[in-house]
Amino acid sequence: GQNIDQPTEMTATEGAIVQINCTYQTSGFNGLFWYQQHAGEAPTFLSYNVLDGLEEKGRFSSFLSRSKGYSYLLLKELQMKDSASYLCAAVDSNYQLIWGAGTKLIIKP
Amino acid sequence: GAVVSQHPSWVICKSGTSVKIECRSLDFQATTMFWYRQFPKQSLMLMATSNEGSKATYEQGVEKDKFLINHASLTLSTLTVTSAHPEDSSFYICSARVPDRGSSEQFFGPGTRLTVL
Repeated sequence: GQNIDQPTEMTATEGAIVQINCTYQTSGFNGLFWYQQHAGEAPTFLSYNVLDGLEEKGRFSSFLSRSKGYSYLLLKELQMKDSASYLCAAVDSNYQLIWGAGTKLIIKP
Repeated sequence: GAVVSQHPSWVICKSGTSVKIECRSLDFQATTMFWYRQFPKQSLMLMATSNEGSKATYEQGVEKDKFLINHASLTLSTLTVTSAHPEDSSFYICSARVPDRGSSEQFFGPGTRLTVL
């Protein structure tokens, strides 16, 4: 079956760095997305990785290892507004998104 | 570009009534749209894939006669929750893929919060 695993909840301190991990098992693989979702709002796109390696975009970076079925989202210089849920979604062979349950990130002052 | 809108943003209705939610792609034509449901503190659950000009493809466990989907044009898909009950109260989100973009990125509408009394 297809499966995405990510931690349910994480807590970090304002100004610090946090890494949110995601492991996936899919039928075929055509990339992996990270989305941010604030409470009561729709998800917004953060990153897309299809090749191994690190993609850096400002304070946010995303890493992919296809051989390990593993990705992480790295958030630097955390701000209070980064408190949100972070959703990992892998693209399977039919180009459908397989969603993780999301990681709720709590930022403390 | 790639903006998706939803209407209404929220709706409260009585049990037994039907509710229609619209999803529009504002600056592109979407041959495929997706309908998701999200319960509190849970992730997105794909309900169905809506294809312009053809019948929607429903995920296992989603009643097609209860959740009617119509994708009549390249910019509009509608979801009608028929005979809504309190357990249908949820956050409904649509998304669309931009054709020929070369990726599977989905652009999400702002969501519709449905409360059934």
